[in-house]
Amino acid sequence: DIQMTQSPSSVSASVGDRITITCRASQGIGNYLAWYQQRPGKAPKLLIYDASYLQSGVPSRFSGSGSGTDFTLTISSLQPEDFATYYCQQANSFGTFGQGTKLEIK
Amino acid sequence: EVQLLESGGNLVQPGGSQRLSCAASGFTFKNYAMIWVRQTPRKGLEWVSSISGSGGSTYYADSVKGRFSISRDNSKNTVYLQMNSLRVEDTAVYYCVRTRRGTVNGYYDSWGQGTLVTVSS
Repeated sequence: DIQMTQSPSSVSASVGDRITITCRASQGIGNYLAWYQQRPGKAPKLLIYDASYLQSGVPSRFSGSGSGTDFTLTISSLQPEDFATYYCQQANSFGTFGQGTKLEIK
Repeated sequence: EVQLLESGGNLVQPGGSQRLSCAASGFTFKNYAMIWVRQTPRKGLEWVSSISGSGGSTYYADSVKGRFSISRDNSKNTVYLQMNSLRVEDTAVYYCVRTRRGTVNGYYDSWGQGTLVTVSS
């Protein structure tokens, strides 16, 4: 089974900051990677698919990169609504998720 | 607008059974595979099961294989998850999910609101 490891598990930042979250797959998955945002009490929301493609309606301050085993999610200028938990997911073989990164307000 | 509405979550005793339903609307249901994903504070998000658009192909996580069964009724735009021999570790919020490209393996672009299944004596 493919394992997904995210880092950090939590991060504190301020509005306007730029942050990066990383995700590593236990084996190569090409670019079959997605990022999701989950706010408390809500279902996850797809942000990025195929590692770098922005889902319709997602603000352009979100971007993704990487291929193979190493991937990143970057938020260029944090907005108040971005403070949430973020998950990566591999879609190469029945979506394994990372453990999540909680983005908190500093 | 795509809508997925789960129902059936409840408190059930270990060893018991429960059936979840998910009513879909806003898209051509038969053209999309459907997925069940669950979430717990301890294990996070976990893919549980997938079913193809026709219903002819089904897939299960090892943790539920032999105990859970996924099915669908395309005339009712509904997907089901029959859960038998429930264990305490099956306690979770269960989400009904649609994949972005309609395939059994892919990205989850639409989610239901989730239904809580609690397995406890």
